[in-house]
Amino acid sequence: SYVLTQPTSVSVAPGKTATIPCGGTNIGSKSVHWYQQKPGQAPVVVIFNDADRPSGIPERFSGSNSGNTASLAISRVGAGDEADYYCQVWDSSSGHRIFGGGTKLTVL
Amino acid sequence: QVQLVESGGGVVQPGRSLRLPCAASGFTVSGYDMHWVRQAPGKGLEWVATISYVGINGISEYYADSVEGRFNISRDSSKNRLYLQMSSLTVDDTAVYYCARERVGGCFDYWGQGTLVTVSS
Repeated sequence: SYVLTQPTSVSVAPGKTATIPCGGTNIGSKSVHWYQQKPGQAPVVVIFNDADRPSGIPERFSGSNSGNTASLAISRVGAGDEADYYCQVWDSSSGHRIFGGGTKLTVL
Repeated sequence: QVQLVESGGGVVQPGRSLRLPCAASGFTVSGYDMHWVRQAPGKGLEWVATISYVGINGISEYYADSVEGRFNISRDSSKNRLYLQMSSLTVDDTAVYYCARERVGGCFDYWGQGTLVTVSS
């Protein structure tokens, strides 16, 4: 079955840009969605269809997807961005929805 | 206003069954692909099951390999509810279970608050 690979953790200084990768075989051919989850809360979609932002999500959040890697970028990172981030795709061959293992973003 | 509210969680013994309802409001569950996603304590998100919207080709169901043959996803359009029937539960099924709606195009745009299922003797 299709596998998405994320680093366990990413650290970034306040005000800098955090980049979280999501690897998968030919992931560039799929639509990738990104979710933010804070402790004790349900996930919230921050990027859908590779690079689209839902209403209410700051422009600081952006996404890209090409080849074997999709990425979520968060610019001007602040303490409020500390959370777990998950990538997700639809595996059309099986009908399954696939989540990456998640990345914990730490603001130093 | 779209809202999803899960219930039915609790402590259950290994080998037993449990049904989780998810009450929807602000939209019609039959018009969307609906999902269950779970999260074991301290772990990541795991997709569990999908029931497709009611289309011209009927309804499709999909299950993660870890629950195939033990879990069943269903929908009651008259009550606007989603269900997850879980049987032959094991300790590995201990998790917070979320129901979620899939936006046309693929992402999960609305989630419930989750309900905790603990499988323990």
